[in-house]
Amino acid sequence: DSGVTQTPKHLITATGQRVTLRCSPRSGDLSVYWYQQSLDQGLQFLIQYYNGEERAKGNILERFSAQQFPDLHSELNLSSLELGDSALYFCASSVYGGGANEQFFGPGTRLTVL
Amino acid sequence: AQRVTQPEKLLSVFKGAPVELKCNYSYSGSPELFWYVQYSRQRLQLLLRHISRESIKGFTADLNKGETSFHLKKPFAQEEDSAMYYCALSGSGAGSYQLTFGKGTKLSVIP
Repeated sequence: DSGVTQTPKHLITATGQRVTLRCSPRSGDLSVYWYQQSLDQGLQFLIQYYNGEERAKGNILERFSAQQFPDLHSELNLSSLELGDSALYFCASSVYGGGANEQFFGPGTRLTVL
Repeated sequence: AQRVTQPEKLLSVFKGAPVELKCNYSYSGSPELFWYVQYSRQRLQLLLRHISRESIKGFTADLNKGETSFHLKKPFAQEEDSAMYYCALSGSGAGSYQLTFGKGTKLSVIP
């Protein structure tokens, strides 16, 4: 599959724990975006990386951090987890970092915090 | 701040009837507007964007800057159109290319 991939598909953990979500962009895409989808807030932009550097930040909590590695895959780290962090986390990628570039989405990681 | 509003959570229409999914936006500059669709058990995918002015799967959307709207239309609904539809906006300035999504409208086409 040459599309955006995300692992794991599902993650169940306890409050106070730390997890790492992984995203591999489409081949050739330099930009990675992270979104959080919850029932009450809908789809919200968290953070964007372009070719290894942070490009834009959205409503990302200080307990959350991300990075993009030299091979362009990205990881989203969520720490001191709270019940309210339970959500679907999507990664998307695009060729460039700006303009009306189509963003291609991954299947998402469903995080459940108990 | 940029905002996208989709007033209908759920829209049910009969097969063959016209469809209009409403989207209104708030943005101080010149936005780029998109419609994304998510079919059951599939990932979110781009349906169309206003700059390309194309029709995809019979759907069209016109950007109305005066009314700040980008409604999605199709003259004759098909059962396979049943899905979740999200309107999204991207800014035009540096650092503003992330997508701001509406909360989505679930379209149900009744056979």
